[in-house]
Amino acid sequence: DIQMTQSPSSLSASVGDRVTITCRASQTISRYLNWYQQRPGEAPKRLIYRASSLQSGVPSRFSGSGSGTDFTLTISSLQPEDFATYYCQQSYTVLYTFGQGTKLEIK
Amino acid sequence: QVQLQESGPGLVKPSQTLSLTCTVSGGSISSNSFYWSWIRQLPGKGLEWIGYIYHSGSTFYNPSLKSRVSISVDTSRNQFSLRLSSVTAADTAVYYCARDFNDGYSYGFAEWGQGTLVTVSS
Repeated sequence: DIQMTQSPSSLSASVGDRVTITCRASQTISRYLNWYQQRPGEAPKRLIYRASSLQSGVPSRFSGSGSGTDFTLTISSLQPEDFATYYCQQSYTVLYTFGQGTKLEIK
Repeated sequence: QVQLQESGPGLVKPSQTLSLTCTVSGGSISSNSFYWSWIRQLPGKGLEWIGYIYHSGSTFYNPSLKSRVSISVDTSRNQFSLRLSSVTAADTAVYYCARDFNDGYSYGFAEWGQGTLVTVSS
C-alpha cells in the first residue's frame, strides 16, 4: 500500500490567513493526488485533482502543487467556511489511500 | 448532475452481513470510464476505500477487506451494492458510495453520496 502522511494533523488559523497543508506519499505517485474538504456531518468534497487542477465551482483561493512524493494544498486567504478537515488521496495505484486528515480550526 | 444515495439497515448484529445499496440518479451507471466505489469512515477517523465496481461487473477490493467484501451492480436499476460479511464492532462506520472518472488513472471522487451510519451491535 502507498501510505499518505499529512502534516500538520491540526492547525489553528484566523480568517484572512494563508494556510498550507502538506501531504507526503511513501513512494512516488507522479501527480495522481487529490484533495478533499470535509465539514462535520457532510461527505467529503473534492477540491483539487491531479495535484493542481481546481474542481469546478471551488473558489480560486484554493490551490494545489507538487509531484512525486510531496504535495501541498494552499488556501490563500481563509474564509469562515474553510474551517473543516482536509484529506489528500492518491490515485496512482488502484488501492486508493487517503491521508489521515488535517483539521483546520479557528484561532 | 449525478447524485448518489445510500440505503440500507443502520444496525447490524455482530457476525452478520452488512448490506447497502447506492442508487444513482441524473446519469447512467453504465457510462464508460466511470467507476463506482464504496468508502467508509470509522467514527472520528479518516477515510478507507473499500472497493469499486465497473458497469461490466469488474471489481477491485481493498486487500484488507477482500475476504469479506462483495460489490455488485444492477444496471437495470442504476444501482450498485456492498456486502460485508462477518461484521464486528470495528466495522461500525459511515459508509459512502462515490464515483470517479478513470482514463487509466483515477481523477479522484468527484461525486459522493451523503453517507449512511452503520452500527454493529447486538
